Amino acid sequence: DAGVTQSPTHLIKTRGQQVTLRCSPKSGHDTVSWYQQALGQGPQFIFQYYEEEERQRGNFPDRFSGHQYPNYSSELNVNALLLGDSALYLCASSLNVGAYGYTFGSGTRLTVV
Amino acid sequence: GDSVTQMEGPVTLSEEAFLTINCTYTATGYPSLFWYVQYPGEGLQLLLKATKADDKGSNKGFEATYRKETTSFHLEKGSVQVSDSAVYFCALPRSGGSYIPTFGRGTSLIVHP
Repeated sequence: DAGVTQSPTHLIKTRGQQVTLRCSPKSGHDTVSWYQQALGQGPQFIFQYYEEEERQRGNFPDRFSGHQYPNYSSELNVNALLLGDSALYLCASSLNVGAYGYTFGSGTRLTVV
Repeated sequence: GDSVTQMEGPVTLSEEAFLTINCTYTATGYPSLFWYVQYPGEGLQLLLKATKADDKGSNKGFEATYRKETTSFHLEKGSVQVSDSAVYFCALPRSGGSYIPTFGRGTSLIVHP
């Protein structure tokens, strides 16, 4: 049984560009949450998608947006990349907005140069 | 909002030493508390949890007791192994009845043979 799958694993982008990260949730899960983990820091909550809608959002600017598809997979989009957006982006899937716990993927390492 | 504060790392120990990683929380009420672990190159995994005051969570030899008097949830293990080397995160749910975890900054544990 595959867990949470994220792609790509590593990515290098130039300041000002746009990036899309992808996440396939664990089988049976219907909720996807995204986190940003800067080097040496704890993960910071970006937003959560459930039933194809953004249900909760952390303290991140509108440059960060997302989408959830009918098959529960999700995308994280970041526009106008800044050097400070360099981080590990983690996807976590869960059932019923997380009532039964979260399963994390291994993340996408984004480097902005 | 609700938050956790962890001791700074790295914590460096010899194999079979006793481990304590301190975590204190600030919250309205008595939320569930969690410890997650992140091994190198991997996502976060739930290590243990406690859902109410005085509960003790345990897993893989690790323990943590939910103490409301001291607002603490310290992680302990009686005899660490090299394979326990990882980053450990204390967490609690976001404010407002959410299940979404809010993480501390993490404490790196390095265990030498």
